Amino acid sequence: AQSVSQHNHHVILSEAASLELGCNYSYGGTVNLFWYVQYPGQHLQLLLKYFSGDPLVKGIKGFEAEFIKSKFSFNLRKPSVQWSDTAEYFCAVATYNTDKLIFGTGTRLQVFP
Amino acid sequence: GAVVSQHPSWVICKSGTSVKIECRSLDFQATTMFWYRQFPKQSLMLMATSNEGSKATYEQGVEKDKFLINHASLTLSTLTVTSAHPEDSSFYICSARDRLGGIQPQHFGDGTRLSIL
Repeated sequence: AQSVSQHNHHVILSEAASLELGCNYSYGGTVNLFWYVQYPGQHLQLLLKYFSGDPLVKGIKGFEAEFIKSKFSFNLRKPSVQWSDTAEYFCAVATYNTDKLIFGTGTRLQVFP
Repeated sequence: GAVVSQHPSWVICKSGTSVKIECRSLDFQATTMFWYRQFPKQSLMLMATSNEGSKATYEQGVEKDKFLINHASLTLSTLTVTSAHPEDSSFYICSARDRLGGIQPQHFGDGTRLSIL
């Protein structure tokens, strides 16, 4: 069965620090990859997605993610975080041409001013 | 942007009662809606896929008689937790896919916190 691993459960950073959140998945076929963010008290929102093409994907709010097929990874990065980035971040995978999203357990990011 | 409304946001009820949760796509038509369950500090787990005008597809281990799903229109899906018990207490989240949006992404509701006493 497919699974998604997010190794960082809780990350604490100061403003302007760089961020990288890990995401690995287990599936040998073609996948669609997503990062969602959930700000406190709000619903899940799409940060970015990868379907095909350039493995370096740019999303909203300065986030980007790189798909490395050989490592089954889709890590999320931001060069300089802000206090407003405090949220829960979820990596999700869908096998090609399906609707089903498989979520990782999420990473709680806290950014202090 | 695409908005999904979920109602109620929080419900507390006695054991044995049934609870209905609504999921509406406000500004788009959704042929497919999804119901997830999230336990504290855990991931979202897909419970079922709801297709307009047809029976829902349940994930393995999800009791279809316990969690009744109805998707009667292109903008509304409902999840009814029948004869709810304390172990059904959880955070339930729905999402919807725009019929014109291809495979992904899904738009999520705010979730419903269900507490069974």
